[in-house]
Amino acid sequence: DTGVSQDPRHKITKRGQNVTFRCDPISEHNRLYWYRQTLGQGPEFLTYFQNEAQLEKSRLLSDRFSAERPKGSFSTLEIQRTEQGDSAMYLCASSLGQGFTDTQYFGPGTRLTVL
Amino acid sequence: AQSVTQLDSHVSVSEGTPVLLRCNYSSSYSPSLFWYVQHPNKGLQLLLKYTSAATLVKGINGFEAEFKKSETSFHLTKPSAHMSDAAEYFCVVSDLPSFGNEKLTFGTGTRLTIIP
Repeated sequence: DTGVSQDPRHKITKRGQNVTFRCDPISEHNRLYWYRQTLGQGPEFLTYFQNEAQLEKSRLLSDRFSAERPKGSFSTLEIQRTEQGDSAMYLCASSLGQGFTDTQYFGPGTRLTVL
Repeated sequence: AQSVTQLDSHVSVSEGTPVLLRCNYSSSYSPSLFWYVQHPNKGLQLLLKYTSAATLVKGINGFEAEFKKSETSFHLTKPSAHMSDAAEYFCVVSDLPSFGNEKLTFGTGTRLTIIP
């Protein structure tokens, strides 16, 4: 059983550059979530997809952030004009979408460092 | 809005002794509650979840948690700690109800250290 995969695992970039992360969910999972985790904190919800539709975005997701899931399979998260405050672990999760109580499975995360 | 409070940021126990990680929640609805574990350089793994069935929930690796509505608590326990239990533990509540969105709200985490 292949779990959620994320690429790259680590990204170091300079302030002002654009970065893009990819998430491949467990196959046939309808829901895909993005979270951000800063040092010493729990993950915080960023956005959520049901198939290809982006249904909710957190206030944490500024205009510099954009997420897509074009064919309802993999998803990308892009950050434009990165800032040092964007340094964090970006986590992706997926779930079957079978009601209120199904389980989210998390990927290993992409650690972003903005210099 | 729903939230969870993890009462201890760091817990240390000796190997073979019981583990207690405390969590209180705030919810306007009947919540779903979870415990996730995060080992260094590994993804978050679900330990157990409560979804309004039995109040005592058994999870993986010998962990269990009891939902106590009167105390708004969902503490995680294990009878005997193992060195491999050293990790960060997160208490989590789902944001219900909504349009089937299970946005998770995480606590700030409890780092569990096992003393040999």
